[in-house]
Amino acid sequence: DVKVTQSSRYLVKRTGEKVFLECVQDMDHENMFWYRQDPGLGLRLIYFSYDVKMKEKGDIPEGYSVSREKKERFSLILESASTNQTSMYLCASSLSFLWGKNTEAFFGQGTRLTVV
Amino acid sequence: SQQGEEDPQALSIQEGENATMNCSYKTSINNLQWYRQNSGRGLVHLILIRSNEREKHSGRLRVTLDTSKKSSSLLITASRAADTASYFCATDAYTGNQFYFGTGTSLTVIP
Repeated sequence: DVKVTQSSRYLVKRTGEKVFLECVQDMDHENMFWYRQDPGLGLRLIYFSYDVKMKEKGDIPEGYSVSREKKERFSLILESASTNQTSMYLCASSLSFLWGKNTEAFFGQGTRLTVV
Repeated sequence: SQQGEEDPQALSIQEGENATMNCSYKTSINNLQWYRQNSGRGLVHLILIRSNEREKHSGRLRVTLDTSKKSSSLLITASRAADTASYFCATDAYTGNQFYFGTGTSLTVIP
């Protein structure tokens, strides 16, 4: 079974802290994604990566950065956590988006982050 | 944003009834997918339909795609209480390397 594992299910951090959310996948997928999910807003893409050391901004990258040093690991970094970053964070991975491939996304279980 | 939209936002039905939810999107696509999310969990892939397909079945799920209208529907037949979840559509466009998710339909199946 494909597995995408996020390091924490629940996290509570203080305003101003630097926060690391880790995600590991075991399927040798090229693409990895970080989303945040808020009620009524659906899933919004923060950053994605299509290869090691490669990254692209999604719809809401402000206040976040990412790191992909190894193919299986994609980290989301909140440089200075703020209360408006309290949210559910979802990591996903998929094969490369080449024509003809079934680009199913596999999700981790989510991290519920609360910034106080 | 190229985010899609599901309709309705919320749906409540009795066990055994059919549930239909719709998705509209904005760009030309390669594939359209449907995902389910149980409360507080990650999303789970249900079914994928390619842009050159019009209908697809998987168990109790039936998906249709109308690329001329940029819309899709998901039908769950003979619903069960365990189908209670949020359902999202997602598209991957010809350009870029992203999934575009809708805002989701919250389905409640009453036993």
